[in-house]
Amino acid sequence: DVKVTQSSRYLVKRTGEKVFLECVQDMDHENMFWYRQDPGLGLRLIYFSYDVKMKEKGDIPEGYSVSREKKERFSLILESASTNQTSMYLCASSLLLNTQYFGPGTRLTVL
Amino acid sequence: GQQLNQSPQSMFIQEGEDVSMNCTSSSIFNTWLWYKQEPGEGPVLLIALYKAGELTSNGRLTAQFGITRKDSFLNISASIPSDVGIYFCAGQTGNQFYFGTGTSLTVIP
Repeated sequence: DVKVTQSSRYLVKRTGEKVFLECVQDMDHENMFWYRQDPGLGLRLIYFSYDVKMKEKGDIPEGYSVSREKKERFSLILESASTNQTSMYLCASSLLLNTQYFGPGTRLTVL
Repeated sequence: GQQLNQSPQSMFIQEGEDVSMNCTSSSIFNTWLWYKQEPGEGPVLLIALYKAGELTSNGRLTAQFGITRKDSFLNISASIPSDVGIYFCAGQTGNQFYFGTGTSLTVIP
């Protein structure tokens, strides 16, 4: 079974803090994704990566950056957290870009 | 990115009833995926469909990839209380996945 894990289930941060969300997959997948999920807006793609050190912007990259130094790990960074970044963050991985497996999610609250 | 049209938005059904939901798009997809998400959890992949016309089952769940490649449906037979959750579809083309708005399912014992 594919396993995608995320470093935290719940996080509470203050405005202006730098926030790191980490995602690890154990299936040697090339492709990894970061989404945020908000009520009424569904899943929105922030960034994705199709190889180590490669990244592509998704639909809403503003205020975020990513890092992929190793194949199994994809990190999402909020350089200076703001209240409008309070959301559920979901990481996903994919081998051949025809199926995605999601992690359990990180519910981030920015105060 | 585009969102897929998923219906119905919500369903309240009696335990034992069958459920049907569908997704439509204006675009053609190469893959259709169906997920279930429970509160506070990540989506769990239920069924993946890779070919137009394909009909695939996973226990009491059956899904079909529409022949036009622009739609898909999911059926749940003989619903049970643990079927409660939000079901959503996803379509894949190129390196992009597009998601439906979700169907919230409530099963009344």
